[in-house]
Amino acid sequence: KAGVTQTPRYLIKTRGQQVTLSCSPISGHRSVSWYQQTPGQGLQFLFEYFSETQRNKGNFPGRFSGRQFSNSRSEMNVSTLELGDSALYLCASSFGDQETQYFGPGTRLLVL
Amino acid sequence: GQQLNQSPQSMFIQEGEDVSMNCTSSSIFNTWLWYKQDPGEGPVLLIALYKAGELTSNGRLTAQFGITRKDSFLNISASIPSDVGIYFCAGRSGTSYGKLTFGQGTILTVHP
Repeated sequence: KAGVTQTPRYLIKTRGQQVTLSCSPISGHRSVSWYQQTPGQGLQFLFEYFSETQRNKGNFPGRFSGRQFSNSRSEMNVSTLELGDSALYLCASSFGDQETQYFGPGTRLLVL
Repeated sequence: GQQLNQSPQSMFIQEGEDVSMNCTSSSIFNTWLWYKQDPGEGPVLLIALYKAGELTSNGRLTAQFGITRKDSFLNISASIPSDVGIYFCAGRSGTSYGKLTFGQGTILTVHP
């Protein structure tokens, strides 16, 4: 069974731009969670989607948004990028919200 | 909010030595997970714990879910060079859809 895939793996943007990251969960998994990882803050929860509905959201500004499609693939969008948005963005999928989460390789975003 | 304190922050050991790391929480969790992350990759699940007092092994790794539900530890026996990486504990409460709260990580270095 293929693991969680994320595209692109690396991205360079400039301040003020917007970016969309994609995540394909493990086949059969319906819950997708997103995390931001930085050296200073560690791994921080962004949001979780299940059956196309956002059920939980972390403490991030409204510039961070996401969605999930009917095939459980998910995208997250960051608008008006700031330098501090530079991070590794990780997606994790699970069969249900209380099941074990499996992580993708991440998308490394650099904002210049 | 929930905080996870993971210790030690880093460890430098000789190949063959045993390693122990732990996490404590200010809140109760109903699931504890231990992940390992290599540079540039996403966290990989090592052990999942679902019940207070549970002791689970995976090869040379052993982890326990504390009886108070506020702590967990991970032991690695007879370390080898490929054990190098960052180890994270993560906890999940029963009401947080998809949200894992992560410790700060333990950086493990193994000298051959």
